[in-house]
Amino acid sequence: DADVTQTPRNRITKTGKRIMLECSQTKGHDRMYWYRQDPGLGLRLIYYSFDVKDINKGEISDGYSVSRQAQAKFSLSLESAIPNQTALYFCATSDSGRGVNTEAFFGQGTRLTVV
Amino acid sequence: GQQLNQSPQSMFIQEGEDVSMNCTSSSIFNTWLWYKQDPGEGPVLLIALYKAGELTSNGRLTAQFGITRKDSFLNISASIPSDVGIYFCAGPSSGGSNYKLTFGKGTLLTVNP
Repeated sequence: DADVTQTPRNRITKTGKRIMLECSQTKGHDRMYWYRQDPGLGLRLIYYSFDVKDINKGEISDGYSVSRQAQAKFSLSLESAIPNQTALYFCATSDSGRGVNTEAFFGQGTRLTVV
Repeated sequence: GQQLNQSPQSMFIQEGEDVSMNCTSSSIFNTWLWYKQDPGEGPVLLIALYKAGELTSNGRLTAQFGITRKDSFLNISASIPSDVGIYFCAGPSSGGSNYKLTFGKGTLLTVNP
């Protein structure tokens, strides 16, 4: 079983619809992240959370919101999806106990298409 | 914010050839990470570097943390078809306790059998 699990793996939704992407992890890490990947643009950070009570905006948070329901769960919501939010979305985790050794571990991704 | 410039953007090579790609930063990094993303999958950590000048190997992969702490390179020797994928460099975005990663835009590697 994957340590970082994202659901769904693929989703097609209509413009204006609300959609939630979910992430759960069994690694016991305190830090969780949501990234977006577009061709040629690499991975861009949407939101991150260093613990259950800590939520921070990343570089491209507009149009997104998140919820850290538990240490192991971090969900990403698109309140009103638009076509330019079509992308590959990744959840990641890391362990603050490793100090500056901030390796992130990624889920398998959710491919979202907004039509 | 900090930016990572990764080059080349893409490479097309023959099986058996060696590959080199690099990453430069506009500011000093204390950690350099190299990830590989297989098609349809999430990025997987290949090599982590923590000290300036450090040279680390993982099988046919070798990565170095530049002396200036503003660059790093990744070499792949004797490439094979399964080396195909996107390679990303990454590093912590800022000092203090805000350890979040900034990623380069990736190098797409194609290996022709």
